[in-house]
Amino acid sequence: AQTVTQSQPEMSVQEAETVTLSCTYDTSESDYYLFWYKQPPSRQMILVIRQEAYKQQNATENRFSVNFQKAAKSFSLKISDSQLGDAAMYFCAYKGSNYQLIWGAGTKLIIKP
Amino acid sequence: ETGVTQTPRHLVMGMTNKKSLKCEQHLGHNAMYWYKQSAKKPLELMFVYNFKEQTENNSVPSRFSPECPNSSHLFLHLHTLQPEDSALYLCASSQGQSSNQPQHFGDGTRLSIL
Repeated sequence: AQTVTQSQPEMSVQEAETVTLSCTYDTSESDYYLFWYKQPPSRQMILVIRQEAYKQQNATENRFSVNFQKAAKSFSLKISDSQLGDAAMYFCAYKGSNYQLIWGAGTKLIIKP
Repeated sequence: ETGVTQTPRHLVMGMTNKKSLKCEQHLGHNAMYWYKQSAKKPLELMFVYNFKEQTENNSVPSRFSPECPNSSHLFLHLHTLQPEDSALYLCASSQGQSSNQPQHFGDGTRLSIL
């Protein structure tokens, strides 16, 4: 069975600095999708970025980018120029052939002004 | 207005009560999901509906009963709940269940069982 691990329960970063959130996963599949979701105090889970496993190029969405290392089964999220509005829980998720999202336990990101 | 709307936002009920959670999506999606989110634990998928047909039931106790009358609406009927059922219940929808389709979430219902 697939698993997703987020080893950092909490991270903090100074406003305008860069922070990297880690995520590792375990799977025997070769074709799958990976996602990062953000959940602010408003509780709505918001898609931040997604990566298709067959694409070698790392996905980028404005200040958010990923470092996808397929062989190492690692999918970290880098947030550049951190803003106060980035404070939230961040969840890494895997989606494979059974179409179910497998979630990590989350990382709480604190932005220091 | 968000694409996925959940009501109520908060719900407090006793163990013998019967209540229902409602979810409505305005995105034209055909797959809908119920998740349970407990503190410091990964999201747990409870039920999946695709074109109004239930496709997944992840060993959820029968005190949780889902209903999907159409592709836009999803309910979760609750009865005889236990204190460990207190959690945030999230509804999501997607355009099909295929791997490249992201799920869109509502704000959740915070459920507290007395």
